[in-house]
Amino acid sequence: GAVVSQHPSRVICKSGTSVKIECRSLDFQATTMFWYRQFPKQSLMLMATSNEGSKATYEQGVEKDKFLINHASLTLSTLTVTSAHPEDSSFYICSASAMAGVANNEQFFGPGTRLTVL
Amino acid sequence: RKEVEQDPGPFNVPEGATVAFNCTYSNSASQSFFWYRQDCRKEPKLLMSVYSSGNEDGRFTAQLNRASQYISLLIRDSKLSDSATYLCVVNRGSWGKLQFGAGTQVVVTP
Repeated sequence: GAVVSQHPSRVICKSGTSVKIECRSLDFQATTMFWYRQFPKQSLMLMATSNEGSKATYEQGVEKDKFLINHASLTLSTLTVTSAHPEDSSFYICSASAMAGVANNEQFFGPGTRLTVL
Repeated sequence: RKEVEQDPGPFNVPEGATVAFNCTYSNSASQSFFWYRQDCRKEPKLLMSVYSSGNEDGRFTAQLNRASQYISLLIRDSKLSDSATYLCVVNRGSWGKLQFGAGTQVVVTP
């Protein structure tokens, strides 16, 4: 199957700092990337959908100015958590899809980034 | 009401036994259904898609009941390595957006 990487795998930062997470599709071109967040014992929650070369579409309740998403190429999307606070501590996972707008197309998940904000 | 609901478990299963569990979804327009497996502190991995007629993949059998809006997963001859959280996933019908359940934990014991 297709491989998606995320970097860093784990980050600990102080409150108020910004953290950038990278998501890369290593062996295919990802027209669409998705960013999820998962709190302990809870389901993955979709934060935003990112299409290469266009602005991300954010889910209701997700602040676009706090979670900046850039999808500048077909193999890279970044999520920047700006002015992170302890409540932003979570497991952030990206997924990538090779075909835009296809409901049944498989998504390939990255290994996730565990963010801890002190 | 949550879009996708699952019994959180845990389901404690002796090695070699059979375990089955369901998931219900609220959006009748949902088109695609999946079971993912998530190990502790790892990303989810696709276990199998769920087709209308039901389908089997080795020891795993998935069923879809559109009328009652639920899907099921059955694991036969459970292995210790089957211990994980099983996520019920439903496509939200646009742009491939997926809705995840919170997961059912399965613990297979020797």
